[in-house]
Amino acid sequence: DGGITQSPKYLFRKEGQNVTLSCEQNLNHDAMYWYRQDPGQGLRLIYYSQIVNDFQKGDIAEGYSVSREKKESFPLTVTSAQKNPTAFYLCASSIGTSEQFFGPGTRLTVL
Amino acid sequence: AQSVSQHNHHVILSEAASLELGCNYSYGGTVNLFWYVQYPGQHLQLLLKYFSGDPLVKGIKGFEAEFIKSKFSFNLRKPSVQWSDTAEYFCAVILTGGGNKLTFGTGTQLKVEL
Repeated sequence: DGGITQSPKYLFRKEGQNVTLSCEQNLNHDAMYWYRQDPGQGLRLIYYSQIVNDFQKGDIAEGYSVSREKKESFPLTVTSAQKNPTAFYLCASSIGTSEQFFGPGTRLTVL
Repeated sequence: AQSVSQHNHHVILSEAASLELGCNYSYGGTVNLFWYVQYPGQHLQLLLKYFSGDPLVKGIKGFEAEFIKSKFSFNLRKPSVQWSDTAEYFCAVILTGGGNKLTFGTGTQLKVEL
């Protein structure tokens, strides 16, 4: 089955810790994205990558970092610099500006 | 700054009522337009999309949307909603030729009552 997988589904972090969220796709899409979803705010773009070894900041990149070493993978690290990291994180992929396909999400809670 | 506005944050309807959810955007160039739906506990999935051609587009589950360029709008409609349409609906816009940045509206939470 083609699709996007995200792990873990739930993640708990202590304040001051960095955590990495996994996103893998087997759709052979060049572009991948990370969004943050908060109630009443829709989805906000954190980072995106249009090609391997290249990525751009989205609208709310502060406190986050990414890498794109492989076409299939686009991990997101939530660093201790992110002031309000508790949220639902969604990964997506696409071919160019066509529709984006979304993963099931990771819910991060900072304790 | 480019933005997408969804006017209704919460909508409650009875089954068989008609639905119209508003979406307006502020981009000046050529755009691709999308409506996504997030059913409780499920992935965000595409409901319908508009790239070019007939401004009235039909999507899954009886939904349709009309692109009105002069009004910068892409409203979602369904003539008769069902309880299973209870979900959160997101309008999204991407500027063609402007990278792959998809901008989402804040979402509309629809509750359909029996």
